[in-house]
Amino acid sequence: NAGVTQTPKFQVLKTGQSMTLQCAQDMNHNSMYWYRQDPGMGLRLIYYSASEGTTDKGEVPNGYNVSRLNKREFSLRLESAAPSQTSVYFCASRGLAGGPSVETQYFGPGTRLLVL
Amino acid sequence: RKEVEQDPGPFNVPEGATVAFNCTYSNSASQSFFWYRQDCRKEPKLLMSVYSSGNEDGRFTAQLNRASQYISLLIRDSKLSDSATYLCVVNLGFKTIFGAGTRLFVKA
Repeated sequence: NAGVTQTPKFQVLKTGQSMTLQCAQDMNHNSMYWYRQDPGMGLRLIYYSASEGTTDKGEVPNGYNVSRLNKREFSLRLESAAPSQTSVYFCASRGLAGGPSVETQYFGPGTRLLVL
Repeated sequence: RKEVEQDPGPFNVPEGATVAFNCTYSNSASQSFFWYRQDCRKEPKLLMSVYSSGNEDGRFTAQLNRASQYISLLIRDSKLSDSATYLCVVNLGFKTIFGAGTRLFVKA
């Protein structure tokens, strides 16, 4: 199992450019999440998808859109990038953690985005 | 008030020391609890789940007190490789809430 994969690993954008961050999981998890993490800061939830076909806003959704393409894939789109969106973006999926009815999150390796 | 609050850190300890991290959560409806570890510039990884009965994994012991809404992590015999940020994590419905993390530096 690859777990959670993210592409690209690194990206440099100019202000106003658009891009899509890709995320896929092969663990058959229902829920998927997008976070951003700024230097020295904690994780902030951008959007999440509790199941295929549903998406909901998290703590910091402005400037982002998401698509839950199927059960495996959850993409994050920046329509018009701004320097404030410079960050590390983590995708995660949530599934059983070994205990009965105990689910936890498994993260991808992250995408490092710089917006100039 | 933050939903999950942790010791601000950083903790600087010598090898072999015992170190304890504390965490409180604000929502009594929280369902499950975890400690994650995050190395510099890497993704967070599950360290261990936390149960009311307490649980141990080698040098790591986690405790949960639901009445006080308090979670702890004890690391015994610290190793250089334990240097990382430790995140207290709580599940609430479909959301998973992460604390800001406590940085640990273990020095030779």
